[in-house]
Amino acid sequence: AQKITQTQPGMFVQEKEAVTLDCTYDTSDQSYGLFWYKQPSSGEMIFLIYQGSYDEQNATEGRYSLNFQKARKSANLVISASQLGDSAMYFCAMREGQNSGYALNFGKGTSLLVTP
Amino acid sequence: DTGVSQNPRHKITKRGQNVTFRCDPISEHNRLYWYRQTLGQGPEFLTYFQNEAQLEKSRLLSDRFSAERPKGSFSTLEIQRTEQGDSAMYLCASSSPGGGQETQYFGPGTRLLVL
Repeated sequence: AQKITQTQPGMFVQEKEAVTLDCTYDTSDQSYGLFWYKQPSSGEMIFLIYQGSYDEQNATEGRYSLNFQKARKSANLVISASQLGDSAMYFCAMREGQNSGYALNFGKGTSLLVTP
Repeated sequence: DTGVSQNPRHKITKRGQNVTFRCDPISEHNRLYWYRQTLGQGPEFLTYFQNEAQLEKSRLLSDRFSAERPKGSFSTLEIQRTEQGDSAMYLCASSSPGGGQETQYFGPGTRLLVL
């Protein structure tokens, strides 16, 4: 079964607008971590933001924030004030368990295009 | 540049040939991961090292695949008798122990095309 679901294959947003990329996850663990990565056409995966399952506040990193709704098992990425350089693939990922050093499970990604 | 590096960046080979990829992690990171990413998919975990020990292998890592990290620094991933289905991007990531927030940092990947 898919552990990470990203239902939006592609999204468009106008420059300077905000956009939300959806991510839902499936786990029976109480302790887990959720990550968002950006992958430009060059291929490198760039870490954006992390949310731990026990974190009470939503994570924020600059223009990126994570809308974490634990009961709904969703961890949506919000990008504020979109820039042309934000055009890329975005992947949600989860690491299960208390220990670090575990593999990440990735979703299929959402392609974001920022238009002028 | 102190990030994760991978070589080569691109590899084209004929079916049945062997290929080897190299990953140099961030110098202070003792954990190293290999992932495979096919077109339209997210990365899929292949294997994980802590120092020189290979601690976890995915069922995706068939007998034709072997990974090593002999001195706990760089790692190599070898694919023997390549098949067209091996065409993919091979990504390497590294991390250092940091509890639940431990973040994996990725290299630029090696794109493999098997003809």
